[in-house]
Amino acid sequence: GESVGLHLPTLSVQEGDNSIINCAYSNSASDYFIWYKQESGKGPQFIIDIRSNMDKRQGQRVTVLLNKTVKHLSLQIAATQPGDSAVYFCAEREGYQKVTFGTGTKLQVIP
Amino acid sequence: DTAVSQTPKYLVTQMGNDKSIKCEQNLGHDTMYWYKQDSKKFLKIMFSYNNKELIINETVPNRFSPKSPDKAHLNLHINSLELGDSAVYFCASSQDGTTWGYTFGSGTRLTVV
Repeated sequence: GESVGLHLPTLSVQEGDNSIINCAYSNSASDYFIWYKQESGKGPQFIIDIRSNMDKRQGQRVTVLLNKTVKHLSLQIAATQPGDSAVYFCAEREGYQKVTFGTGTKLQVIP
Repeated sequence: DTAVSQTPKYLVTQMGNDKSIKCEQNLGHDTMYWYKQDSKKFLKIMFSYNNKELIINETVPNRFSPKSPDKAHLNLHINSLELGDSAVYFCASSQDGTTWGYTFGSGTRLTVV
């Protein structure tokens, strides 16, 4: 559904610390999940994905965790850098080409 | 080389006008999409085309008409523009509809005054 609230949720993190961005999804039939990063003035960029038969997947400095029991997805960014500042979206897929994006979380990295 | 390119990047127009946004991808992907991003950054799919055929049409007013002359192009025409149409419109493509790895364009910021 539509996002709620007037402001985008914001996470402020000190440079070098780890970041954890959370996402709750609503559709238990979703079989594929993705995290996207959107920098100011740009389109969303694929970061990492995970299938519903997995609970953890690691990439370079990023880890996605999936908890299907509570329908929760998280993105962990290790050693956060100023270049990580962006809006992060989780997205879920149900069936063929049906994709829903989450509301987004703004990550601010404090130098 | 830009993988998914949209033109124009900015579009300011008056209510009631008709405008088009163009999208081209040079990735050889089979499926293309239009997404609308509102002021709260919420991304919502509008249309999806696979090999020039409409696959998804999500409760979008019929003032919006997508056109895909070939699988590398998906244009969006909007008739009788309204204030509520102001948003950023993103084009995206993927290799096929069952796998991920969407590549998004840089967006077209439409402002209706």
